[in-house]
Amino acid sequence: AQRVTQPEKLLSVFKGAPVELKCNYSYSGSPELFWYVQYSRQRLQLLLRHISRESIKGFTADLNKGETSFHLKKPFAQEEDSAMYYCALSGWGGKLIFGQGTELSVKP
Amino acid sequence: DTAVSQTPKYLVTQMGNDKSIKCEQNLGHDTMYWYKQDSKKFLKIMFSYNNKELIINETVPNRFSPKSPDKAHLNLHINSLELGDSAVYFCASSQATARNTIYFGEGSWLTVV
Repeated sequence: AQRVTQPEKLLSVFKGAPVELKCNYSYSGSPELFWYVQYSRQRLQLLLRHISRESIKGFTADLNKGETSFHLKKPFAQEEDSAMYYCALSGWGGKLIFGQGTELSVKP
Repeated sequence: DTAVSQTPKYLVTQMGNDKSIKCEQNLGHDTMYWYKQDSKKFLKIMFSYNNKELIINETVPNRFSPKSPDKAHLNLHINSLELGDSAVYFCASSQATARNTIYFGEGSWLTVV
C-alpha cells in the first residue's frame, strides 16, 4: 500500500531552535517524495522534492530508504516558518498521497 | 500572472443546492487535479484529468462531476450539496501524470449550511 505518515499533528518550538518534522512512507519501488507548505489560508507551495536535493528557506530533507523516511529539518527556526507542512508521495497517475500534516508553531 | 486560479474563493450555500467551482491554469500543463482538504486539514485527491481525459476518480460520490472543456480548465460541479461537503477544494496542475511537481490554486472554501 502507498501511504505517508506524519506522526506529529503539532510541533511547537522556540525561535532559533532546531526543527525536525517527521515523515515515513510506504511504497514498493523507487519513491518520489515532496514537502509542501501551507501558510495560513493560502495555497500549498512546494518546499522541497527529494530529487532536487536543494535547500529552500533553510530547510533540507534526506531520503532514507532503509528507514523509509523523509524528515524535514531546519537548524534554526524562524517565526515566519509557522505553517502547516505536508509530506507527500507521488503515486499512480501522478497523484500526490499526503500525510496528515504537521502544524509547526514557532514562538518568539 | 497567477499560475492556477480558481473561483470562487469563498462560497456559502444551503443544503440541497447545486454549485460549481471553476479552475484555470496558464502553465501549459497537461494534467489537472481536484483535491479536497477536510476540517482536519487532511488532503485527498478527488479527480485528475490528462488532456481532457479522466484518469483518476477516487471513490467520490456521483454528486461530484468534474468537467474539462480543454486542458487548461477543470471545473467541479456539485449537486445536492450536503453538510459534509463543507471543505476547502484545491485545484492543481502538473506537466504530466508521472512524478512531476504539482502546482496548487489558492483553494475554494465551501461552507454548506
